[in-house]
Amino acid sequence: NAGVMQNPRHLVRRRGQEARLRCSPMKGHSHVYWYRQLPEEGLKFMVYLQKENIIDESGMPKERFSAEFPKEGPSILRIQQVVRGDSAAYFCASSPFLTNTEAFFGQGTRLTVV
Amino acid sequence: AQRVTQPEKLLSVFKGAPVELKCNYSYSGSPELFWYVQYSRQRLQLLLRHISRESIKGFTADLNKGETSFHLKKPFAQEEDSAMYYCALMQGGSEKLVFGKGTKLTVNP
Repeated sequence: NAGVMQNPRHLVRRRGQEARLRCSPMKGHSHVYWYRQLPEEGLKFMVYLQKENIIDESGMPKERFSAEFPKEGPSILRIQQVVRGDSAAYFCASSPFLTNTEAFFGQGTRLTVV
Repeated sequence: AQRVTQPEKLLSVFKGAPVELKCNYSYSGSPELFWYVQYSRQRLQLLLRHISRESIKGFTADLNKGETSFHLKKPFAQEEDSAMYYCALMQGGSEKLVFGKGTKLTVNP
């Protein structure tokens, strides 16, 4: 089991472009979480998804950000019209099922907006 | 609101010395608390959680509800313990973690 895979590891976008971050959960995991880490900050929860459902998006900015976890394929975090303030490390985690189970983290995608 | 505070951004000790990484939390209910560790160039991984009451790699952490603390301790630090350590809280009924800002531990030879 290769663990949670995120790609790309590094992504550079110009202001106004779109950023698409991918997360493949561990085999057998149906729960995915996205966190953002701004410089000098801790990880901040963004969104929690199960297959084809958004369960909790209370940490997602209201505009430009969206997430999906389709029946087939990886989870995608999409940021439209990126701005400099979106520059951060974005981490994905997955877990097999609800409640008191360990979430396994990917290595993150470092987004730089120039 | 839930909050996790790690007052030390950096902590430096010598090999063999005791180490304590502080973590305080703010939460009105019964939280579940975790310590995560990130070694250089590696992914974030769970070190320990308070409900399991385990000792992992010589580290222990006791939940003190009176002081709302969950400090991480090790009696004799090793160089390989050098890493970023994050304290995190999971509120009951939710699957999201609230992280502190992290403490960078450096164990000097």
